[in-house]
Amino acid sequence: GDSVTQMEGPVTLSEEAFLTINCTYTATGYPSLFWYVQYPGEGLQLLLKATKADDKGSNKGFEATYRKETTSFHLEKGSVQVSDSAVYFCALSRRDSSYKLIFGSGTRLLVRP
Amino acid sequence: EAGVTQFPSHSVIEKGQTVTLRCDPISGHDNLYWYRRVMGKEIKFLLHFVKESKQDESGMPNNRFLAERTGGTYSTLKVQPAELEDSGVYFCASSPRVGSTDTQYFGPGTRLTVL
Repeated sequence: GDSVTQMEGPVTLSEEAFLTINCTYTATGYPSLFWYVQYPGEGLQLLLKATKADDKGSNKGFEATYRKETTSFHLEKGSVQVSDSAVYFCALSRRDSSYKLIFGSGTRLLVRP
Repeated sequence: EAGVTQFPSHSVIEKGQTVTLRCDPISGHDNLYWYRRVMGKEIKFLLHFVKESKQDESGMPNNRFLAERTGGTYSTLKVQPAELEDSGVYFCASSPRVGSTDTQYFGPGTRLTVL
C-alpha cells in the first residue's frame, strides 16, 4: 500500500541555519505530495504542495520539489527562524484513493536563537 | 470565514464509556475527513464523507467506531465502548470540491484520553 517515510526527529538547528527534512514515498500512479506543519498548540496547516513530477511547491521561504525518479519530496529552507519551530508532516494523496492523505510520522524542528 | 471547528478540545473518559466527537467543516465544503494520531505515531485516515454519504471508511479500526454526517453539514464520531488504545488526537478536515486535490483544511483536533 501507499506509504510515506520521513526522517526521524527532533531536528535542532540554530537560527539562520539551512534546513532539510527528507521525505520519500511509495505509491502507485501519480500521487500529489504535501507538506503540512503543526505549530505548538495549533492544528495542521498546509505549508506547500506539488501535484505532478518536477513541480516545486513553495511558501514562507520553504521549498520542496516533486522528484518522481527518486520518489522524494524533501523540504528545504535556506535560513530558519525561531518561529519555524513546529512539527512537519509529509503526506501524499491519490485520486483513486478518495484523496485521503497518507502521512509520514512527522519531524519535530526546534530552532534555537 | 470560520475554519474547521472541533468539540470538545479534550476528553478524558474511562474504559468502557462512550464518547462523541463533533466536527463542523467549513461552510460549503462537500468533503469531510476524519484522521487520528495515536501516541506520536503517524496521522492515519479513518474515513471520508462526500456530503452525507460515506465515500471511504477503510480506515475505521473496528465496529466500536461510528461516524455520521447528518444533512451533509457537521459530523460526529462516536466511540462505544472506548478502549485504552483509542487514546490519541482525532482530527477532522474538510475540502470544497469532490474529486480534486483541493487543500484539506484541518481542525485543531480533539485529544481523547481513555483511562
